[in-house]
Amino acid sequence: QVHLQESGPGLVRPSGTLSLTCTVSGDSFGTSYWWNWVRQSPGKGLEFVGEISHDERTNYNPSLRSRVTISIDTSKSQFSLRLASVTAADTAFYFCARRTENFGIKYWGQGILVTVSS
Amino acid sequence: SYDLTQPPSVSVSPGQTANISCSGDKLGNKYVYWYQHKPGQSPVMVIYQDAKRPSGIPERFSGSNSGNTATLTITGTQTMDAADYYCQAWDTPSTWVFGGGTKLTAL
Repeated sequence: QVHLQESGPGLVRPSGTLSLTCTVSGDSFGTSYWWNWVRQSPGKGLEFVGEISHDERTNYNPSLRSRVTISIDTSKSQFSLRLASVTAADTAFYFCARRTENFGIKYWGQGILVTVSS
Repeated sequence: SYDLTQPPSVSVSPGQTANISCSGDKLGNKYVYWYQHKPGQSPVMVIYQDAKRPSGIPERFSGSNSGNTATLTITGTQTMDAADYYCQAWDTPSTWVFGGGTKLTAL
């Protein structure tokens, strides 16, 4: 069974950089998969942050593009999110997930709450 | 940017049919995905490619997509179906968009 687990600091200072890692188990980094980050701010809906393929192609949310970097390390079965210059508006639950081309997102991590506060 | 519009809330009695709409420009030309999200849990995909059900999703969930509107239909809604539902579609050239979400109440 595929399992994804987010890890990283739960508190980030304003203007700092949010860094999260998603560790994948029970699966390989196949050519049809895209590795996603999706977030949900308190009281708001789901928001696509970005995704990366096994060969490091990326798609980003245009509103976050200037601040977001997603990377992948298949040797460690991990992919990561970096979000720079954070503000309180970046406080959210961050989910990592696996999307299969044309088949949507079937596997999600449990989510991790990241709070931006001094 | 591409916008997907959903009603903020839909309310039905158990056993009734719930229809949740998702509107976007020429949405019928795109694949639409639907996710169920309950508080404190990870989202669950209930429909992919407009109308297909992933394994394990009950038959009461169905979907359609034509013109500018996609619809998620829950036939014989159960109280356990109460959740937020989100539609998702691809925004050319390179990003995914979620609808604002619809809170389904089944009381």
